[in-house]
Amino acid sequence: DIQMTQSPSSMSASLGDRVTITCQASQDIGNNLIWFQQKPGKSPRPMIYYATNLANGVPSRFSGSRSGSDYSLTISSLESEDMADYHCLQYKQYPLTFGSGTKLEIK
Amino acid sequence: QVKLLQSGAALVKPGDSVKMSCKASGYTFTDYIIHWVKQSHGKSLEWIGYINPYSGGTNYNEKFKSKATLTVDKSSSTAYMEFSRLTSEDSAIYYCARDGTYNWFAYWGQGTLVTVSS
Repeated sequence: DIQMTQSPSSMSASLGDRVTITCQASQDIGNNLIWFQQKPGKSPRPMIYYATNLANGVPSRFSGSRSGSDYSLTISSLESEDMADYHCLQYKQYPLTFGSGTKLEIK
Repeated sequence: QVKLLQSGAALVKPGDSVKMSCKASGYTFTDYIIHWVKQSHGKSLEWIGYINPYSGGTNYNEKFKSKATLTVDKSSSTAYMEFSRLTSEDSAIYYCARDGTYNWFAYWGQGTLVTVSS
């Protein structure tokens, strides 16, 4: 199975900060990665498709990038509504596998 | 619009089984596979498997192969997942999800909370 190592597991940042969350894939997954945002009591919401493509309706402060086997989700200027859990998912190979999640809190 | 409406919370005893549902609307049910995802401890997500409503074909995560059974009822546009021989480790929220036309996991149900307790 492909392991997705996500970091950090939690973080606290101030409004306006630039925030980056990373997933590292144990095998080649190409760009077959999705980033989800999940707010308390809600279902996951896809934010970034194919590693770098913004999903419909997602604010432009969110972006995705790839460097080799490392995939990053960046929020350029943190807003209060961005407080949530974030998850990555690889869909290159079955079984599909998620990262362990990142809890993002506002200082 | 696309909706996936899941069944309500369930409290079940260890060793029992639970069957939860995911009723689809707003699209042709047989056109898209349905995924099932487990969320334990309020954070980590695991893919359980998917079912193709058109053919009934399934693909399970090996970890859940002896635990989960995925079925559909095309007449009611409903997907089902049965979880058997429940233990406390199966206490979780279970989601169904559907791919979009171009994007995976575009639509999600609201989740079903399963609590295993004597």
